[in-house]
Amino acid sequence: SQQGEEDPQALSIQEGENATMNCSYKTSINNLQWYRQNSGRGLVHLILIRSNEREKHSGRLRVTLDTSKKSSSLLITASRAADTASYFCATDARHNQGGKLIFGQGTELSVKP
Amino acid sequence: NAGVTQTPKFQVLKTGQSMTLQCAQDMNHEYMSWYRQDPGMGLRLIHYSVGAGITDQGEVPNGYNVSRSTTEDFPLRLLSAAPSQTSVYFCASWGPGQGYYNSPLHFGNGTRLTVT
Repeated sequence: SQQGEEDPQALSIQEGENATMNCSYKTSINNLQWYRQNSGRGLVHLILIRSNEREKHSGRLRVTLDTSKKSSSLLITASRAADTASYFCATDARHNQGGKLIFGQGTELSVKP
Repeated sequence: NAGVTQTPKFQVLKTGQSMTLQCAQDMNHEYMSWYRQDPGMGLRLIHYSVGAGITDQGEVPNGYNVSRSTTEDFPLRLLSAAPSQTSVYFCASWGPGQGYYNSPLHFGNGTRLTVT
């Protein structure tokens, strides 16, 4: 399979706590992206980190990328009940045409009020 | 802008029936793709297109056909539905945006297909 792997598969935390999700992938990449999916809906883009970047922030989101280990992590700080969703990492492999993303299996996050 | 529009939202088929899942985008994106999502499997690429008249296979193309006659539309055809094709199908589009490798995929809301 070309897919990367994410862990944990499921994560349950209390509101206000931080949530960390990890992603590993197999090939050299142009960039790595994180998406969010609310139940029954399409995926929404959260953040993109390029292969020459090591860390990126967007609001309460912090993404790190370690290309030597082919891994990334997504940190959501001060989580809210509204953050309950599935989170997917996706890689845009080097030499691919833009837009041909390979997705991980996702992490299901549950934030309890 | 409507973005990426998929129809229908739900569909039930009997084994052996055929149908077409519709996908349209209004962002003038050259690249469009179809994914299927199954529990525990994430999203897997079925077919993709880099422009009108050009299509290629993804990771799981068997049982599906596509064509791209216009930039806006990218229909997915199931010629003879099988229970293994029960899934949620997502269409996505992509354009270079601000920088060639800096742009995300835009997804439709999905079609939930059940084959009995």
